[in-house]
Amino acid sequence: DTAVSQTPKYLVTQMGNDKSIKCEQNLGHDTMYWYKQDSKKFLKIMFSYNNKELIINETVPNRFSPKSPDKAHLNLHINSLELGDSAVYFCASSQDMVQPQHFGDGTRLSIL
Amino acid sequence: AQKVTQAQTEISVVEKEDVTLDCVYETRDTTYYLFWYKQPPSGELVFLIRRNSFDEQNEISGRYSWNFQKSTSSFNFTITASQVVDSAVYFCALSEAWSGNTGKLIFGQGTTLQVKP
Repeated sequence: DTAVSQTPKYLVTQMGNDKSIKCEQNLGHDTMYWYKQDSKKFLKIMFSYNNKELIINETVPNRFSPKSPDKAHLNLHINSLELGDSAVYFCASSQDMVQPQHFGDGTRLSIL
Repeated sequence: AQKVTQAQTEISVVEKEDVTLDCVYETRDTTYYLFWYKQPPSGELVFLIRRNSFDEQNEISGRYSWNFQKSTSSFNFTITASQVVDSAVYFCALSEAWSGNTGKLIFGQGTTLQVKP
């Protein structure tokens, strides 16, 4: 069973569109995260949620809106996609905010 | 300011060589956590180790070992007798406790390790 699963794995779309990436974890963890990995492989946190409460919003444009319907899910919705949004987006979860984070396989977003 | 530096962008070794990946961190907090993650060519991020700031004991896990030295703010990773399957990008990361334990991971730039047969 996949511990942290993201869908879709690949997302190709045009500039200006709105898209969502879904994330689910079956580890029973309380905390979930979204990270962005750019073309140079640099990883940067975007958001974190603990028990469905937003903990970190790392100066991300408000075109990005996370939603946590329950502890096991943290979805990422992106409005008005721009070329600079092209990246790999990773979802992660951890038991609490000091335990190791377990990552999903990533979603590669390509903006045409 | 919190920062993680992995000065080695790329390392290339021949199989069975030992290789050390360097990690230097900056933090103003006395309580923090250090991590290493592996990203193989398939792209997923794999957790390798977590160390808290109060535990300076070195750790060995099979061919992997980690050397944590607070005096030099370093948390280096050594692979002994490297294998082709070790080829990956390796990330060192820092999580600080002063910020209320948000769990935020600050990553280094990553070191790409290529192990040639």
